Amino acid sequence: GQNIDQPTEMTATEGAIVQINCTYQTSGFNGLFWYQQHAGEAPTFLSYNVLDGLEEKGRFSSFLSRSKGYSYLLLKELQMKDSASYLCAVPIDRGSTLGRLYFGRGTQLTVWP
Amino acid sequence: NAGVTQTPKFRVLKTGQSMTLLCAQDMNHEYMYWYRQDPGMGLRLIHYSVGEGTTAKGEVPDGYNVSRLKKQNFLLGLESAAPSQTSVYFCASSDRGYNSPLHFGNGTRLTVT
Repeated sequence: GQNIDQPTEMTATEGAIVQINCTYQTSGFNGLFWYQQHAGEAPTFLSYNVLDGLEEKGRFSSFLSRSKGYSYLLLKELQMKDSASYLCAVPIDRGSTLGRLYFGRGTQLTVWP
Repeated sequence: NAGVTQTPKFRVLKTGQSMTLLCAQDMNHEYMYWYRQDPGMGLRLIHYSVGEGTTAKGEVPDGYNVSRLKKQNFLLGLESAAPSQTSVYFCASSDRGYNSPLHFGNGTRLTVT
């Protein structure tokens, strides 16, 4: 089965850097996704990591360590619009193409001015 | 470019009533999914489809049925609504399934009284 742990809430100040952690257990690792969800809106895709290391995409970076079952999302130069829930997700199926995802409960980030 | 469109956006049902939620995507995606999202819980997979004419059960399928008669449409039905089905329902699609990001609709907020 799958299990994902991420902090429930985090707060940070505009312009700062914040790191949102995600630890996971899965029967067969097949990559890890991060999604952003603003209140009352649909989740939107942020990043996908399948190999160890850091992947940078503008102000957002995502890190993966497969041996530790650990990932983090790094947000730099925080803006008010970054206030949202950040969802960590892993595929349920290993070695298949079904594309089903298991989601964590999300981390609610609040950015203060 | 509409992406994934869900109708209706809001609905209130009485216990025992039935309804159908419609999801339409214009991206020619093969894979479609229905998730529900409840406070304090991650997105949970209800049913999914890997192509026109196919459907399969997800993590929480009880009380729901689905149909995928056309590639672009994925319908979620509640035959006899229960208060436990009060939730926000999200439809999503992807092109490759495995390692492919999900594209979500804007959700349907359903209340069962």
